[in-house]
Amino acid sequence: QQQVKQSPQSLIVQKGGISIINCAYENTAFDYFPWYQQFPGKGPALLIAIRPDVSEKKEGRFTISFNKSAKQFSLHIMDSQPGDSATYFCAASTSGTYKYIFGTGTRLKVLA
Amino acid sequence: EAQVTQNPRYLITVTGKKLTVTCSQNMNHEYMSWYRQDPGLGLRQIYYSMNVEVTDKGDVPEGYKVSRKEKRNFPLILESPSPNQTSLYFCASSPVRGPVRNTEAFFGQGTRLTVV
Repeated sequence: QQQVKQSPQSLIVQKGGISIINCAYENTAFDYFPWYQQFPGKGPALLIAIRPDVSEKKEGRFTISFNKSAKQFSLHIMDSQPGDSATYFCAASTSGTYKYIFGTGTRLKVLA
Repeated sequence: EAQVTQNPRYLITVTGKKLTVTCSQNMNHEYMSWYRQDPGLGLRQIYYSMNVEVTDKGDVPEGYKVSRKEKRNFPLILESPSPNQTSLYFCASSPVRGPVRNTEAFFGQGTRLTVV
């Protein structure tokens, strides 16, 4: 029940295309869903996050879609760029615990 | 610059030789935690601390110890390292803003540990 399942494991997208990464969870107590971006040799950094009171959040080219009934959320990267090539982790947390359950990561490569 | 600093960045050691990985943050965050990152497994929490002198186990605490004597420091101790602790380790910190809203976790650059 604590798992967050992430797919795909790796993704190759042409420059200008849309990258889509999906995550699913079981624990209905989760109420904070961040996405982290990690470049090689660096620690993860917060990219965008959503709470379940909204179904979508957009920041620039990055959008989170959230489906509470299906217990799924996804990251969409519009107009993908080679600089977006990184590993992306979804995560889930319950307010007050400050503990994150991370997905297994998606390695994204955007071809120039 | 606000940051979480880990040292060392790379470490190769032998089985059984005690080691400490240091973590320091300059953001006055109450919450600090350690994760290990392994291929195909994502990041898994080892230990966390809600404040000074308050620590608790995460999901994979076996073989590790921590201490939180000062707010800014949260060292990870491997008293008798084994090869299965070869991994990439991250320290993270977050401000605690009460029970209602979670906040961003700030990660260090990572420590790549190899135990032979």
